[in-house]
Amino acid sequence: EPEVTQTPSHQVTQMGQEVILRCVPISNHLYFYWYRQILGQKVEFLVSFYNNEISEKSEIFDDQFSVERPDGSNFTLKIRSTKLEDSAMYFCASTTSRGWDEQYFGPGTRLTVT
Amino acid sequence: AQSVTQLGSHVSVSEGALVLLRCNYSSSVPPYLFWYVQYPNQGLQLLLKYTSAATLVKGINGFEAEFKKSETSFHLTKPSAHMSDAAEYFCAVSDRSGGSYIPTFGRGTSLIVHP
Repeated sequence: EPEVTQTPSHQVTQMGQEVILRCVPISNHLYFYWYRQILGQKVEFLVSFYNNEISEKSEIFDDQFSVERPDGSNFTLKIRSTKLEDSAMYFCASTTSRGWDEQYFGPGTRLTVT
Repeated sequence: AQSVTQLGSHVSVSEGALVLLRCNYSSSVPPYLFWYVQYPNQGLQLLLKYTSAATLVKGINGFEAEFKKSETSFHLTKPSAHMSDAAEYFCAVSDRSGGSYIPTFGRGTSLIVHP
């Protein structure tokens, strides 16, 4: 069964460093998402992406964040200058349409900022 | 605005016992409601969803949930817990606020199943 994959599974970085989290969505999906979950808190929406542009973003997704689909398979989340409060689990998801179709989630990348 | 509250960060049951995971929502319009499950080291997987059809929704692995508008609830149940049900469960709501389909998730409830 097709699945969303994410790399790395765990990333440790120092405050102020740039990180890139990578996702490979399911191949025939058109809509892509990033969510994060700070330990013990809710899963929070960050951004959605369609047709090579951001379609929605939350208040969390500020200028420190960017997303890109550099080729036909990868979908990346970049944090330019990490802060301690960026430590969280980051989930990528993809779906075939914009509506309430099931979003398929990846296993997540745990980001630890020291 | 939409929001979700999951009562209890941890729920512990014995194998074979009833599973009840609570979810209450807040929405200004009739919502769509979801339950997702996350097994260790895996992504979130959709268990079931309510989309304004039948109020009792059946999902995978023997789980079901009932939409109760008067109580603004969407509790998840399973008659008999299996060890393999041990996982994190997330309730989510989507009410198309401002044309957005993006769901709002709860904090999650960790289900612990004892032999």
